[in-house]
Amino acid sequence: RKEVEQDPGPFNVPEGATVAFNCTYSNSASQSFFWYRQDCRKEPKLLMSVYSSGNEDGRFTAQLNRASQYISLLIRDSKLSDSATYLCVVNIGDAGGTSYGKLTFGQGTILTVHP
Amino acid sequence: DAGVIQSPRHEVTEMGQEVTLRCKPISGHDYLFWYRQTMMRGLELLIYFNNNVPIDDSGMPEDRFSAKMPNASFSTLKIQPSEPRDSAVYFCASSFILGTGKEQYFGPGTRLTVT
Repeated sequence: RKEVEQDPGPFNVPEGATVAFNCTYSNSASQSFFWYRQDCRKEPKLLMSVYSSGNEDGRFTAQLNRASQYISLLIRDSKLSDSATYLCVVNIGDAGGTSYGKLTFGQGTILTVHP
Repeated sequence: DAGVIQSPRHEVTEMGQEVTLRCKPISGHDYLFWYRQTMMRGLELLIYFNNNVPIDDSGMPEDRFSAKMPNASFSTLKIQPSEPRDSAVYFCASSFILGTGKEQYFGPGTRLTVT
């Protein structure tokens, strides 16, 4: 089983639509959670961190369910510029709570927003 | 800051040749990561360093791959001899860690083609 699993999509949605991506992780010792965005032929960049209480950044809402080991990203009012691959990312620490710099990336979910 | 710098941006080489990829992390960052990205396998962590010391090289595919970090501002990833299956985009990333895992900043990548 992969450490971080995502639905690869692709998701094709019209402008203005709401779209949700899901992600599951296998290691219960995971410490930190992120969504990265990667444009075509570009490097990944941090979109937002994901906090236990859920957090919002403009049109983007991230949620974390530690009990289910599940992370989600909701995009409201989709724009053409939201077209990209969205990577679910987990920082896996050890059982003692030590966190390392290493991040584990999901395969990514491809989103295409069309006019 | 100029961000993470990688060179070359593109490399085309013949099977059996030695390839050296270079990375300059963001000044002050104490973690450096090398990743490989392909369509089939996604983004894979090859090796990472903390304060110039290799911490985890379990992702290095085989002995043909080696990485060094002689100082805080420079790292290399070498493939010798190269093979067609090494064709991929190689990213270098750096981060500054305090406690839990923090954002990684990626370079633009080196697109390697081995013929």
